[in-house]
Amino acid sequence: AQTVTQSQPEMSVQEAETVTLSCTYDTSESDYYLFWYKQPPSRQMILVIRQEAYKQQNATENRFSVNFQKAAKSFSLKISDSQLGDAAMYFCAYRSPEGAQKLVFGQGTRLTINP
Amino acid sequence: KAGVTQTPRYLIKTRGQQVTLSCSPISGHRSVSWYQQTPGQGLQFLFEYFSETQRNKGNFPGRFSGRQFSNSRSEMNVSTLELGDSALYLCASSLGTGGAYSNQPQHFGDGTRLSIL
Repeated sequence: AQTVTQSQPEMSVQEAETVTLSCTYDTSESDYYLFWYKQPPSRQMILVIRQEAYKQQNATENRFSVNFQKAAKSFSLKISDSQLGDAAMYFCAYRSPEGAQKLVFGQGTRLTINP
Repeated sequence: KAGVTQTPRYLIKTRGQQVTLSCSPISGHRSVSWYQQTPGQGLQFLFEYFSETQRNKGNFPGRFSGRQFSNSRSEMNVSTLELGDSALYLCASSLGTGGAYSNQPQHFGDGTRLSIL
């Protein structure tokens, strides 16, 4: 079974600075999908960014980018120019192509933005 | 386009009761998945429905069940409630399941907060 590990329960960063959240996963599959979701206090899980394992190019969405290291099974999220609205729980998630839409989540990282 | 709608938003029950939670997916989405979120266990997959059929199931006891209707709306039922069932239950929808839909993201609702007294 696949597992996802987020080793940083909490992180904090000054507004406008850059922060990187770590995620590692364990799988024997060669093809899969990785996601970062954020969950603000409003509870709704919001997709931040996604990466297909077969793509070597790292995904980027505006201020959010990933560093995908397939051999190391690492999938970190970099947030540039941090904003107060970025404060949330961030979850890394794995999806197997064989598992329909099932997501396997990490334990989450709580990100605090200091003004 | 309206997002994923979950009702009710909050629910309080006592041990031994049963409960039904509802989820209306985004219009056009045919796959609905359910997750349980607790401080101790984190986010855990319950099950997924597509075209009124259960496609995948997580490691939960038989007290947890679900169904999907022809309009893609889904319900989740928990019978004989236990204190440990207190959690945020999240529903997520996507266009489809597997195959060409594997890279499609899931869109989540705001969840139902279930408290067991």
